[in-house]
Parts: sequence; C-alpha cells; structure tokens
Amino acid sequence: DQQVKQNSPSLSVQEGRISILNCDYTNSMFDYFLWYKKYPAEGPTFLISISSIKDKNEDGRFTVFLNKSAKHLSLHIVPSQPGDSAVYFCENAGNMLTFGGGTRLMVKP
Amino acid sequence: DGGITQSPKYLFRKEGQNVTLSCEQNLNHDAMYWYRQDPGQGLRLIYYSQIVNDFQKGDIAEGYSVSREKKESFPLTVTSAQKNPTAFYLCASSSDPGQDYEQYFGPGTRLTVT
Repeated sequence: DQQVKQNSPSLSVQEGRISILNCDYTNSMFDYFLWYKKYPAEGPTFLISISSIKDKNEDGRFTVFLNKSAKHLSLHIVPSQPGDSAVYFCENAGNMLTFGGGTRLMVKP
Repeated sequence: DGGITQSPKYLFRKEGQNVTLSCEQNLNHDAMYWYRQDPGQGLRLIYYSQIVNDFQKGDIAEGYSVSREKKESFPLTVTSAQKNPTAFYLCASSSDPGQDYEQYFGPGTRLTVT
C-alpha cells in the first residue's frame, strides 16, 4: 500500500513556464515533507521542505504548498529552466521515511 | 570537503554470492540509511541506523544485513537470500533524525547480479 504517491510519472514544460509537481499521502505520524531532485546515476539532493505549521514555503524559484486537509502537497518551479530537468521525489519524513515514486520533469528550451 | 561516499559505482556479482556495499560519511552525522531504487520506482528503505551499534529494519530488509561499528561507516551486505538484488543502492545520512530531516545522499552503487 503506497502511502506517498506521485501520480504523474512525467511532466514536460516549456522553459520559462511554471512546473507543478504533485504528491499525495495517506497515513502520517506528523506532517513534514521534503522534496529531492535527482539526476541520472546520482544520489538525490535536498531541494525544499515544509512542516505542518506552514502551508507554504518558498526558496527562490521553488515553492512548496501543503494542504493538510487534502493530504496533498505540490512543488512549484517558476520560471522553469532546462537545468531543472530531473526526477523529483517527495518524502514523508513522518512516515518511516517514505518516498513517492518520483516525477520526471523535462523542461524544453 | 564533507560528504558521503559510496563505492564502487558499479558492481557485478554472480547469483548466490554475498556482496557488501560501502558507505562512508565525514559529516559527523548520527543517522545513516540505505535505500534501493528500482526502475520507475521511488526509494525504498532497507535499513537505518540512528546511532552507533544500533540499527533498525526498514520496509524491505529481507535478504540484507548491515553493521554500524563506527559512526562514519554503514556497510550493507546483499546476501544470496535477496531474491531480486539487481538495483541502484543509495546510502544517506542526516544529523539529527528527530529534528533535522534533510538527508544527504551518496552517489549510489548500481549492483547487477547475473
């Protein structure tokens, strides 16, 4: 039973536009989520996080939104750049370090 | 330069052999983790250790074993009991699993068993 789901395996966006990556979760001991970015054959790198005391966290071009009632979070990248092309994972740190299946983002020049 | 290293990057083994994957960190982190990633899937937790000489099973510990004799090192042994050992293995560490949730990942080891 997958408790963290990223329902879009891939997303293609034009350079300069907004990329929106979504993540849904079920059970959680506490609401703390992280987004990681992963290039092929490399380990993931931490991007941004959000805890239950907030519904939004912003860091430069990256913003994460948390909707606790819907158990849904999203990562917005504005403007998208070709270097953002990677696989993005959301992690529920409050649930046995559970990761979603990832979304492959492709930003076209 | 602080970081987390895994070696080797690529590893090939025959079926029925045990193999040990190395993970070393010089970040002075208390917690260390092992994940595996299969094509098209997310990261699944194999084992984790929050302190030296202690470790806990993750979601898919069967067929794997670990040790944590030193703070810097958390080797993972893939035993012959693991039914599908071919995967990309990632090691990670974090400073305080109770307060700082950000994990730092190594570059990974791709294990192929034939």
